[in-house]
Amino acid sequence: SAVISQKPSRDICQRGTSLTIQCQVDSQVTMMFWYRQQPGQSLTLIATANQGSEATYESGFVIDKFPISRPNLTFSTLTVSNMSPEDSSIYLCSVATVSYNEQFFGPGTRLTVL
Amino acid sequence: KQEVTQIPAALSVPEGENLVLNCSFTDSAIYNLQWFRQDPGKGLTSLLLIQSSQREQTSGRLNASLDKSSGRSTLYIAASQPGDSATYLCALQGGSEKLVFGKGTKLTVNP
Repeated sequence: SAVISQKPSRDICQRGTSLTIQCQVDSQVTMMFWYRQQPGQSLTLIATANQGSEATYESGFVIDKFPISRPNLTFSTLTVSNMSPEDSSIYLCSVATVSYNEQFFGPGTRLTVL
Repeated sequence: KQEVTQIPAALSVPEGENLVLNCSFTDSAIYNLQWFRQDPGKGLTSLLLIQSSQREQTSGRLNASLDKSSGRSTLYIAASQPGDSATYLCALQGGSEKLVFGKGTKLTVNP
């Protein structure tokens, strides 16, 4: 398994501002993922972050809105840019193990945009 | 496009009851299936992972089965406890590492 931490755990932000969420893993992993969980909904993948290459974004998500960094094998950041109330969600990072592709999730960042 | 459906959306049972949560999917070309638990406002805890070549996995009071031909998985919880109250999510992995999630079943176990 992997132990994953996220910062901040929650935040309340004003419309038009940006927030950067950090994800730290206790071991080196190849694949890191960022998901969004809107209120009352299930999880939707935003992008896959690989170290040393550009993130791969899912349909409906763009780099200008959700820039991602992956400077090494244990750390990644997701920025939510120019926020609107529709961005209010829980944002979760996850990692996949090499052997079985089992995924483990961080505790999430609860974002409220006013 | 893979679609994952979980039924029921919510379930309330008395403590001690055995229960089954259902997950159905439209594309049987899966790599694995994973069951998660999510407590309110929290992240996800991995419960069980079933590889596509496997039929079931067990962990303590939990047993998950997989039938690819019918596009179904079940999560069986034996002797339920109030601490089992949470939302249970089923997620499938296809050819890529991407997980496709169902909307979950919210379980309440009443003392």
